[in-house]
Amino acid sequence: QKEVEQDPGPLSVPEGAIVSLNCTYSNSAFQYFMWYRQYSRKGPELLMYTYSSGNKEDGRFTAQVDKSSKYISLFIRDSQPSDSATYLCAMLRGNNNDMRFGAGTRLTVKP
Amino acid sequence: NAGVMQNPRHLVRRRGQEARLRCSPMKGHSHVYWYRQLPEEGLKFMVYLQKENIIDESGMPKERFSAEFPKEGPSILRIQQVVRGDSAAYFCASSPRPGSYEQYFGPGTRLTVT
Repeated sequence: QKEVEQDPGPLSVPEGAIVSLNCTYSNSAFQYFMWYRQYSRKGPELLMYTYSSGNKEDGRFTAQVDKSSKYISLFIRDSQPSDSATYLCAMLRGNNNDMRFGAGTRLTVKP
Repeated sequence: NAGVMQNPRHLVRRRGQEARLRCSPMKGHSHVYWYRQLPEEGLKFMVYLQKENIIDESGMPKERFSAEFPKEGPSILRIQQVVRGDSAAYFCASSPRPGSYEQYFGPGTRLTVT
């Protein structure tokens, strides 16, 4: 079993839809939870981070962490074609350098 | 404010040659991380460096791979005697603090071994 599991998709939605992206993990020592967006042939771009459990909202994006279930989510409201990219979840233990990534979910938002 | 810079963007090497990948962190960042991304796989941590020090190389293959971050100049990831399995995208990231979730990635170097 991988330490971080992420459905690779692909996921295709119409413009304006609400998108839900998820990851599960097995290591309860993870404390920081990040979502990165990666466009084709580009480097990952940090979208959001959350420390421990809870929700965080930034514009059209909401990140949720449920440590009891070892489950994290990213919601995208009013999705746009420009949101089409691969979304990577990532996790980090406190005082640790080894960030663990999911495999990424490829999202396409159709106009 | 320039972001993380990596060069070359594309590198082709024949089996047995050496590959040298360079990374210049964001201004003010003294912490550099290298990752490898294979097709259809997530990013895998390789090594974490501060200026003149390797802090954590737990993800680095034991042979043929080395990394440095000198006092002056970019960080270098060196792969000696490359093999086909080394073909991948190599990303570096920099952060302003140690052990930080706040990592900023470069555009990557795509290595192809023929």
